[in-house]
Amino acid sequence: KNEVEQSPQNLTAQEGEFITINCSYSVGISALHWLQQHPGGGIVSLFMLSSGKKKHGRLIATINIQEKHSSLHITASHPRDSAVYICAVRASGSRLTFGEGTQLTVNP
Amino acid sequence: DADVTQTPRNRITKTGKRIMLECSQTKGHDRMYWYRQDPGLGLRLIYYSFDVKDINKGEISDGYSVSRQAQAKFSLSLESAIPNQTALYFCATSDSGGLQPQHFGDGTRLSIL
Repeated sequence: KNEVEQSPQNLTAQEGEFITINCSYSVGISALHWLQQHPGGGIVSLFMLSSGKKKHGRLIATINIQEKHSSLHITASHPRDSAVYICAVRASGSRLTFGEGTQLTVNP
Repeated sequence: DADVTQTPRNRITKTGKRIMLECSQTKGHDRMYWYRQDPGLGLRLIYYSFDVKDINKGEISDGYSVSRQAQAKFSLSLESAIPNQTALYFCATSDSGGLQPQHFGDGTRLSIL
């Protein structure tokens, strides 16, 4: 069993839908990251959080430390949100352990 | 200009060849990382460096070597490339405080024939 599990692996939505991507992890962590990988391959950091909730535009990330679970929500989804979303956890130092990613496709 | 620059962006080469992937950063970060990404496996850590004199093996270092030539430069070498090293390779940086997320380069797509 991977230390970081994401669900679903693939998600297809219609433009405007509310989207949730889940991440569960099995180790104690100091921080959790949500990353976005564009179709061309580049990776950008969306959020780093260790408790509670963060919001940036239409993106919301939450984490429940006790349940070892995080969610990434996208409100009013748009085709440009189509990407792979990756959850990564930091257990010690600054080394990250990555989930396999969730491929999101938003259709117009 | 990108904060983390990888060269080349794409490379196709033959089995047995020596390959070097280069990474440079303008973030001023002490910590640098090399990852590979394979379909269905997520990113896996190859090597990392916390400063110029520090080199550490990651999960999958066999078949690879690295050099931290300066704070801003971290290169990855495949001494004798083999087909199962075909992957997308990413360089990343982070600050030493661990309070900032990692910054990634745009990736190098490497194909070994």
